[in-house]
Amino acid sequence: EVQLVESGGGLVQPGGSLRLSCAVSGFTFNSYEMNWVRQAPGKGLEWVSYISSSGSTINYADSVKGRFTISRDNAKNSLYLQMNSLRAEDTAVYYCARGSSVGLSFDHWGQGTLVSVSS
Amino acid sequence: QLVVSQSPSASASLGASVKLTCTLSSGHSSYAIAWHQQQPEKGPRYLMRVNSDGSHRKGDGIPDRFSGSSSGAERYLTISSLQSEDEADYYCQTWDTGIHVVFGGGTKLTVL
Repeated sequence: EVQLVESGGGLVQPGGSLRLSCAVSGFTFNSYEMNWVRQAPGKGLEWVSYISSSGSTINYADSVKGRFTISRDNAKNSLYLQMNSLRAEDTAVYYCARGSSVGLSFDHWGQGTLVSVSS
Repeated sequence: QLVVSQSPSASASLGASVKLTCTLSSGHSSYAIAWHQQQPEKGPRYLMRVNSDGSHRKGDGIPDRFSGSSSGAERYLTISSLQSEDEADYYCQTWDTGIHVVFGGGTKLTVL
């Protein structure tokens, strides 16, 4: 069974940092592209970042470029999101999502971890 | 610019059928999309990918009541024999070769 489990969320002050993790199981992690998606309270889904299966290709939404860093450790079956210079508008539930083997449809999702940015 | 548009809301009666629409922006009518369901207080769940030719590939365990189709720049999700647990937000998602992913604003489906 494919499982994605996020962790690392919490309350942080504006300007602070947080590192999210996504532990995966049930599939060959190093064969799949991965993504982070977020959802602000009461809002829709917003794509945040992409990383290729090897980690060699990375992309970010303009809203987080220069502040967030995506990475992965294929030996540990884990995906990460380092978030720096956090703002109130970064408050959201953050989901990790697996890219399918054909195209970039997200075929499995985690349950999410809440990040709250507030003083 | 790649954009997908959805109606904010839809409603249908228990046991009836409903067809949700996702519209691709001009110049992107050949793009595939994915449909995702988000029930209240839960994370999203992948339903299916819908290609420009109308073919679709469903996720694991998605009931036959869910189907996809296409016409021009529009991609559809049809849910038949509506059940109460189908009341949810439905999002379409697409992407381009520059690895830029976009979501529609979502359609809130109410089952009457």
